[in-house]
Amino acid sequence: QVQLQQSGPGLVKPSQTLSLTCAISGDSVSSNSAAWNWIRQSPSRGLEWLGRTYYRSKWYNSYEASVRSRININPDTSKNQFSLQLHSVTPEDTAVYYCARTNDGYVDYWGQGTLVTVSS
Amino acid sequence: QSVLTQPPSASGTPGQRVTISCSGGRSNIGSDYVHWYQQLPGTAPKLLIYRNNQRPSGVPDRFSGSKSGTSASLAISGLRSEDEADYYCTAWDNGLSGWVFGGGTKLTVL
Repeated sequence: QVQLQQSGPGLVKPSQTLSLTCAISGDSVSSNSAAWNWIRQSPSRGLEWLGRTYYRSKWYNSYEASVRSRININPDTSKNQFSLQLHSVTPEDTAVYYCARTNDGYVDYWGQGTLVTVSS
Repeated sequence: QSVLTQPPSASGTPGQRVTISCSGGRSNIGSDYVHWYQQLPGTAPKLLIYRNNQRPSGVPDRFSGSKSGTSASLAISGLRSEDEADYYCTAWDNGLSGWVFGGGTKLTVL
């Protein structure tokens, strides 16, 4: 059974960096079949895929176009986890953030979600 | 505005059959699988249907999915009060190279 446990602050100031971590149990961040995603949800934007990292003999990342200039998703193989950094946040980045696994072509496991509020 | 289009709400009485539609385009539903999620208040989405019409273990056979062209549907038969939730469709978009979602349908059991 795969479990994803999220951690990180729930309040970030405007212009600063939002940082979240997703610890994986029951699978490996270096899996050759899975991808590790960040997805957010807000009342105004609904569910929005932000990006992913995955390993296929080497590491790959892909990001959603609207956040590509200010996002990083990185694996940490020593801790079997992956992280999200979203830079230069504004109140529009306020949302519940989820980490999630895709395997066999669909998202099958989700983290518990973290409400991140961008406010001074 | 979401890439995939769902009705914002649906309703039915216990025992009834309801369907929720999801409309997309050639770059997403038209060229890849559709998956459905159920989200209860305050919880993460839960996989309900994958690859158009497959149920994960533990999902009752009251839930079924179908796809035709650039549209898909989720059907719930024998409606129960515990089915009251938000339902989302998703597909990989080959043009955007990312996952796209519907705006969600809030199902009310009257």
